[in-house]
Amino acid sequence: DVKVTQSSRYLVKRTGEKVFLECVQDMDHENMFWYRQDPGLGLRLIYFSYDVKMKEKGDIPEGYSVSREKKERFSLILESASTNQTSMYLCATSPRGGELFFGEGSRLTVL
Amino acid sequence: GESVGLHLPTLSVQEGDNSIINCAYSNSASDYFIWYKQESGKGPQFIIDIRSNMDKRQGQRVTVLLNKTVKHLSLQIAATQPGDSAVYFCAERRDNFNKFYFGSGTKLNVKP
Repeated sequence: DVKVTQSSRYLVKRTGEKVFLECVQDMDHENMFWYRQDPGLGLRLIYFSYDVKMKEKGDIPEGYSVSREKKERFSLILESASTNQTSMYLCATSPRGGELFFGEGSRLTVL
Repeated sequence: GESVGLHLPTLSVQEGDNSIINCAYSNSASDYFIWYKQESGKGPQFIIDIRSNMDKRQGQRVTVLLNKTVKHLSLQIAATQPGDSAVYFCAERRDNFNKFYFGSGTKLNVKP
């Protein structure tokens, strides 16, 4: 079974803090994605990566950056957290051309 | 302040009945579609997929129908069970990078 592990299930941070969300997969998938999920808005793509050190912006990249130094790990970074970044963050992986496999999510609250 | 999100469409069915969840997608060039199920507090889980060269695909108790003419996707769940209660999302793939775009979801309530 594919395992996608998000290191933190729940985080509470203050406005202006730097936040790291980590995602690790064990299936050697090329593609990795970060989505945010807000009530009634579905999942919106923040960033994705199709190879080590490669990254592409999704639909809502503002206020976020990412890092993919190793194939199995994809990090989402909030340089200066703001209250409108309070959300559920979902990491996903996929092989080329295949379905997405999701982690359990990281619920971030920014006060 | 706290933002007010949109309310999810909700489908309530009796245990044992069949459920049909619908989804309209936006891009006629989308070539791959997936239905995901998300239970409370968990990440989305794959249910069934279909490629654009097909119009129907069946799994165990689930069937996906694709109508490319009207850009419509549906998920049929036979003999719905309480464990089927969840939010269901459709996802469409629009490009070669395997980027998927998700609908806003439908909440399925199964009454025992």
